[in-house]
Amino acid sequence: DTEVTQTPKHLVMGMTNKKSLKCEQHMGHRAMYWYKQKAKKPPELMFVYSYEKLSINESVPSRFSPECPNSSLLNLHLHALQPEDSALYLCASSQISGRLDEQFFGPGTRLTVL
Amino acid sequence: AQKITQTQPGMFVQEKEAVTLDCTYDTSDPSYGLFWYKQPSSGEMIFLIYQGSYDQQNATEGRYSLNFQKARKSANLVISASQLGDSAMYFCAMREIQAGTALIFGKGTTLSVSS
Repeated sequence: DTEVTQTPKHLVMGMTNKKSLKCEQHMGHRAMYWYKQKAKKPPELMFVYSYEKLSINESVPSRFSPECPNSSLLNLHLHALQPEDSALYLCASSQISGRLDEQFFGPGTRLTVL
Repeated sequence: AQKITQTQPGMFVQEKEAVTLDCTYDTSDPSYGLFWYKQPSSGEMIFLIYQGSYDQQNATEGRYSLNFQKARKSANLVISASQLGDSAMYFCAMREIQAGTALIFGKGTTLSVSS
């Protein structure tokens, strides 16, 4: 199984809502990532988890809260988002970060904040 | 300074022709990896090919090959025999080992293949 799955595929939320994005992989990867991507732009790294511990937070606003409940699951909790947070959110996984292994990406969640 | 530079915002090619997408990089880390990803309009990032800084041979994966010129710090992607399904955004990316960076992406090149 070389797949990273993400749910939901699309999400529309208001600025006062709380929602969560979910990412799952069963490749035994111990590094997992969240990226944010605006249209026609490259992905921007948000968070990196290594061995279920947060290792990189790229100064992301606290309205985004990541969680890694186990080695296969990665969540991104959303609260009080702004319209400018509308984007494609990509999850990825790889062998432990620090090695030169490719990252496998999920299909993404298209988020619209009204 | 940009670590990954893709100077071609858009490229146009006819079916069955070969196309080269340019990528230059900047690093002082002796150990690094270079990656190319394809992103169709559906959004998924698809890994295409990888080149390590110590690899002696240029990487190849089917119709994809990477023209790695270490002294010039370039890692161009060559797609042979283009197909309509190759139309997508292509990103060059780098990871540095000693610096401990995650993937650093270039701005991307949009490839359009016509019949």
